[in-house]
Amino acid sequence: GAVVSQHPSRVICKSGTSVKIECRSLDFQATTMFWYRQFPKQSLMLMATSNEGSKATYEQGVEKDKFLINHASLTLSTLTVTSAHPEDSSFYICSAREPAQDITDTQYFGPGTRLTVL
Amino acid sequence: AQSVTQPDIHITVSEGASLELRCNYSYGATPYLFWYVQSPGQGLQLLLKYFSGDTLVQGIKGFEAEFKRSQSSFNLRKPSVHWSDAAEYFCAVGSANNAGNMLTFGGGTRLMVKP
Repeated sequence: GAVVSQHPSRVICKSGTSVKIECRSLDFQATTMFWYRQFPKQSLMLMATSNEGSKATYEQGVEKDKFLINHASLTLSTLTVTSAHPEDSSFYICSAREPAQDITDTQYFGPGTRLTVL
Repeated sequence: AQSVTQPDIHITVSEGASLELRCNYSYGATPYLFWYVQSPGQGLQLLLKYFSGDTLVQGIKGFEAEFKRSQSSFNLRKPSVHWSDAAEYFCAVGSANNAGNMLTFGGGTRLMVKP
Protein backbone atom coordinates (compact mmCIF):
# COMPACT_ATOMS: atom_id res chain seq x y z
CA GLY A 1 0.00 0.00 0.00
CA ALA A 2 0.82 3.71 0.17
CA VAL A 3 1.91 4.12 -3.42
CA VAL A 4 2.37 7.56 -4.91
CA SER A 5 2.87 8.11 -8.62
CA GLN A 6 4.05 11.11 -10.59
CA HIS A 7 3.63 11.96 -14.22
CA PRO A 8 5.60 12.65 -16.26
CA SER A 9 8.87 11.19 -15.01
CA ARG A 10 10.88 13.44 -17.30
CA VAL A 11 9.97 16.56 -19.23
CA ILE A 12 11.97 18.87 -21.43
CA CYS A 13 10.46 22.18 -22.40
CA LYS A 14 11.40 25.48 -23.96
CA SER A 15 11.92 28.58 -21.90
CA GLY A 16 8.69 30.50 -21.41
CA THR A 17 6.36 27.55 -21.61
CA SER A 18 4.35 26.02 -18.76
CA VAL A 19 4.66 22.49 -17.49
CA LYS A 20 2.18 20.53 -15.40
CA ILE A 21 3.27 17.71 -13.11
CA GLU A 22 0.73 15.32 -11.61
CA CYS A 23 0.98 13.55 -8.28
CA ARG A 24 -1.45 10.75 -7.46
CA SER A 25 -1.99 8.60 -4.40
CA LEU A 26 -2.95 5.23 -5.86
CA ASP A 27 -4.31 3.28 -2.94
CA PHE A 28 -5.21 5.80 -0.28
CA GLN A 29 -6.83 9.15 0.08
CA ALA A 30 -4.32 11.89 0.63
CA THR A 31 -5.77 14.83 2.47
CA THR A 32 -2.38 16.49 2.35
CA MET A 33 0.26 16.44 -0.34
CA PHE A 34 3.65 18.10 -0.36
CA TRP A 35 5.82 19.35 -3.19
CA TYR A 36 9.58 19.34 -2.90
CA ARG A 37 12.40 20.48 -5.08
CA GLN A 38 15.77 18.81 -5.14
CA PHE A 39 18.88 20.20 -6.81
CA PRO A 40 21.67 17.83 -7.81
CA LYS A 41 23.44 16.27 -4.86
CA GLN A 42 21.35 18.25 -2.42
CA SER A 43 18.58 17.52 0.01
CA LEU A 44 14.89 18.05 -0.51
CA MET A 45 13.50 21.52 0.00
CA LEU A 46 9.82 21.85 0.74
CA MET A 47 8.08 24.16 -1.69
CA ALA A 48 4.48 23.97 -0.57
CA THR A 49 1.88 22.03 1.34
CA SER A 50 -1.32 21.22 -0.48
CA ASN A 51 -4.56 20.42 1.34
CA GLU A 52 -7.48 19.02 -0.60
CA GLY A 53 -10.05 21.66 -1.37
CA SER A 54 -8.07 24.61 -0.09
CA LYS A 55 -5.26 26.87 -1.19
CA ALA A 56 -1.73 25.63 -0.93
CA THR A 57 0.62 26.96 1.71
CA TYR A 58 3.91 28.04 0.21
CA GLU A 59 7.26 28.11 1.95
CA GLN A 60 9.12 31.37 2.22
CA GLY A 61 10.84 32.30 -1.00
CA VAL A 62 8.65 30.15 -3.25
CA GLU A 63 6.68 32.18 -5.79
CA LYS A 64 3.09 31.05 -5.67
CA ASP A 65 2.30 32.68 -9.02
CA LYS A 66 5.08 30.74 -10.66
CA PHE A 67 4.44 27.39 -9.02
CA LEU A 68 0.70 26.84 -9.17
CA ILE A 69 -0.61 24.02 -7.05
CA ASN A 70 -4.04 22.48 -7.29
CA HIS A 71 -5.37 19.72 -5.04
CA ALA A 72 -8.82 19.19 -6.43
CA SER A 73 -9.38 15.64 -5.22
CA LEU A 74 -8.19 13.34 -2.46
CA THR A 75 -5.96 11.45 -4.86
CA LEU A 76 -4.56 14.11 -7.16
CA SER A 77 -2.42 17.21 -6.78
CA THR A 78 -0.84 19.10 -9.66
CA LEU A 79 2.11 21.45 -9.80
CA THR A 80 2.29 23.80 -12.76
CA VAL A 81 5.54 25.60 -13.42
CA THR A 82 4.49 28.69 -15.33
CA SER A 83 6.75 30.52 -17.77
CA ALA A 84 9.55 28.12 -17.02
CA HIS A 85 13.16 29.27 -17.23
CA PRO A 86 16.40 27.31 -17.17
CA GLU A 87 16.87 28.04 -13.47
CA ASP A 88 13.64 26.10 -12.82
CA SER A 89 15.32 22.94 -14.06
CA SER A 90 15.31 20.56 -11.15
CA PHE A 91 13.95 17.33 -9.73
CA TYR A 92 10.45 17.81 -8.36
CA ILE A 93 9.15 15.26 -5.89
CA CYS A 94 5.72 15.02 -4.34
CA SER A 95 4.64 13.18 -1.24
CA ALA A 96 1.33 12.33 0.33
CA ARG A 97 0.06 11.52 3.78
CA GLU A 98 -3.15 10.18 5.17
CA PRO A 99 -3.24 11.25 8.79
CA ALA A 100 -6.55 9.59 9.54
CA GLN A 101 -4.87 6.24 9.15
CA ASP A 102 -1.41 7.13 10.33
CA ILE A 103 -0.92 9.48 13.24
CA THR A 104 2.82 9.49 12.71
CA ASP A 105 2.24 11.58 9.60
CA THR A 106 4.43 9.39 7.49
CA GLN A 107 4.93 10.82 4.05
CA TYR A 108 5.03 8.52 1.05
CA PHE A 109 6.99 9.86 -1.89
CA GLY A 110 6.48 9.74 -5.59
CA PRO A 111 9.31 8.76 -7.95
CA GLY A 112 9.98 12.35 -8.93
CA THR A 113 9.87 14.37 -12.14
CA ARG A 114 13.01 15.62 -13.82
CA LEU A 115 12.32 19.00 -15.44
CA THR A 116 14.78 20.43 -17.93
CA VAL A 117 14.12 23.87 -19.34
CA LEU A 118 16.09 24.74 -22.46
CA ALA B 1 12.68 25.39 14.63
CA GLN B 2 13.52 21.80 13.98
CA SER B 3 16.70 20.79 12.19
CA VAL B 4 18.51 17.65 11.16
CA THR B 5 22.22 17.14 10.69
CA GLN B 6 23.84 14.27 8.88
CA PRO B 7 27.54 14.81 9.56
CA ASP B 8 28.83 12.46 6.87
CA ILE B 9 28.30 13.59 3.30
CA HIS B 10 29.92 10.48 1.82
CA ILE B 11 30.63 7.07 3.26
CA THR B 12 32.33 4.15 1.54
CA VAL B 13 32.16 0.66 2.96
CA SER B 14 33.12 -2.74 1.65
CA GLU B 15 30.40 -5.19 0.77
CA GLY B 16 29.65 -7.35 3.77
CA ALA B 17 30.93 -4.80 6.25
CA SER B 18 28.73 -3.16 8.86
CA LEU B 19 27.31 0.31 8.38
CA GLU B 20 26.30 3.17 10.61
CA LEU B 21 24.94 6.45 9.27
CA ARG B 22 24.71 9.28 11.74
CA CYS B 23 21.78 11.59 12.27
CA ASN B 24 21.36 14.30 14.88
CA TYR B 25 18.23 16.33 15.28
CA SER B 26 17.09 19.42 17.08
CA TYR B 27 13.48 19.62 18.14
CA GLY B 28 11.78 20.88 21.26
CA ALA B 29 9.01 18.35 21.56
CA THR B 30 8.79 14.61 20.98
CA PRO B 31 10.00 14.01 17.46
CA TYR B 32 8.88 11.58 14.84
CA LEU B 33 12.04 10.40 13.10
CA PHE B 34 12.40 8.84 9.70
CA TRP B 35 15.03 7.35 7.45
CA TYR B 36 14.49 7.39 3.71
CA VAL B 37 16.63 5.99 0.92
CA GLN B 38 16.87 7.45 -2.56
CA SER B 39 18.35 5.64 -5.54
CA PRO B 40 19.67 7.80 -8.41
CA GLY B 41 16.87 9.54 -10.26
CA GLN B 42 14.23 8.07 -7.99
CA GLY B 43 11.93 9.26 -5.26
CA LEU B 44 12.35 8.43 -1.62
CA GLN B 45 11.54 5.09 -0.04
CA LEU B 46 10.75 4.86 3.65
CA LEU B 47 13.19 2.57 5.46
CA LEU B 48 11.88 2.96 8.99
CA LYS B 49 10.40 5.40 11.44
CA TYR B 50 10.36 6.07 15.16
CA PHE B 51 7.16 7.20 16.73
CA SER B 52 7.25 6.02 20.33
CA GLY B 53 7.97 2.97 22.42
CA ASP B 54 10.95 0.76 21.77
CA THR B 55 13.89 2.96 20.86
CA LEU B 56 15.38 0.34 18.55
CA VAL B 57 13.39 0.32 15.36
CA GLN B 58 13.54 -2.35 12.69
CA GLY B 59 13.02 -1.41 9.08
CA ILE B 60 13.04 -2.90 5.63
CA LYS B 61 16.07 -4.31 3.85
CA GLY B 62 17.74 -5.32 7.12
CA PHE B 63 18.15 -1.78 8.44
CA GLU B 64 17.59 -0.68 12.00
CA ALA B 65 17.91 2.60 13.84
CA GLU B 66 18.18 3.55 17.47
CA PHE B 67 16.62 6.64 18.99
CA LYS B 68 18.77 8.13 21.75
CA ARG B 69 17.04 11.09 23.32
CA SER B 70 20.03 12.02 25.48
CA GLN B 71 22.19 12.36 22.38
CA SER B 72 19.47 13.71 20.08
CA SER B 73 20.46 11.03 17.63
CA PHE B 74 18.77 8.51 15.38
CA ASN B 75 21.58 6.58 13.73
CA LEU B 76 20.89 4.04 11.01
CA ARG B 77 22.67 0.71 11.06
CA LYS B 78 23.00 -2.42 9.00
CA PRO B 79 25.15 -5.40 10.03
CA SER B 80 26.19 -6.43 6.52
CA VAL B 81 25.99 -4.11 3.55
CA HIS B 82 25.05 -5.32 0.08
CA TRP B 83 26.11 -3.66 -3.16
CA SER B 84 22.47 -2.78 -3.82
CA ASP B 85 22.48 -0.58 -0.71
CA ALA B 86 24.52 2.06 -2.54
CA ALA B 87 22.25 5.11 -2.57
CA GLU B 88 21.56 8.40 -0.85
CA TYR B 89 20.15 8.21 2.66
CA PHE B 90 18.11 10.96 4.27
CA CYS B 91 17.18 11.36 7.89
CA ALA B 92 14.12 13.49 8.63
CA VAL B 93 12.24 14.79 11.61
CA GLY B 94 8.52 15.52 11.76
CA SER B 95 6.56 17.25 14.44
CA ALA B 96 4.55 15.20 16.88
CA ASN B 97 1.86 17.65 17.82
CA ASN B 98 0.85 19.51 14.73
CA ALA B 99 -1.75 18.44 12.29
CA GLY B 100 -0.27 19.44 9.13
CA ASN B 101 3.23 18.96 9.46
CA MET B 102 6.16 19.03 7.33
CA LEU B 103 9.29 16.99 7.40
CA THR B 104 12.67 18.58 7.81
CA PHE B 105 15.40 16.66 6.03
CA GLY B 106 19.06 16.34 6.72
CA GLY B 107 21.53 17.01 3.94
CA GLY B 108 21.84 13.33 3.10
CA THR B 109 24.65 10.78 3.17
CA ARG B 110 25.79 9.16 -0.03
CA LEU B 111 26.74 5.54 0.54
CA MET B 112 29.15 3.83 -1.80
CA VAL B 113 29.82 0.11 -1.55
CA LYS B 114 33.11 -1.40 -2.63
CA PRO B 115 33.10 -4.94 -3.99
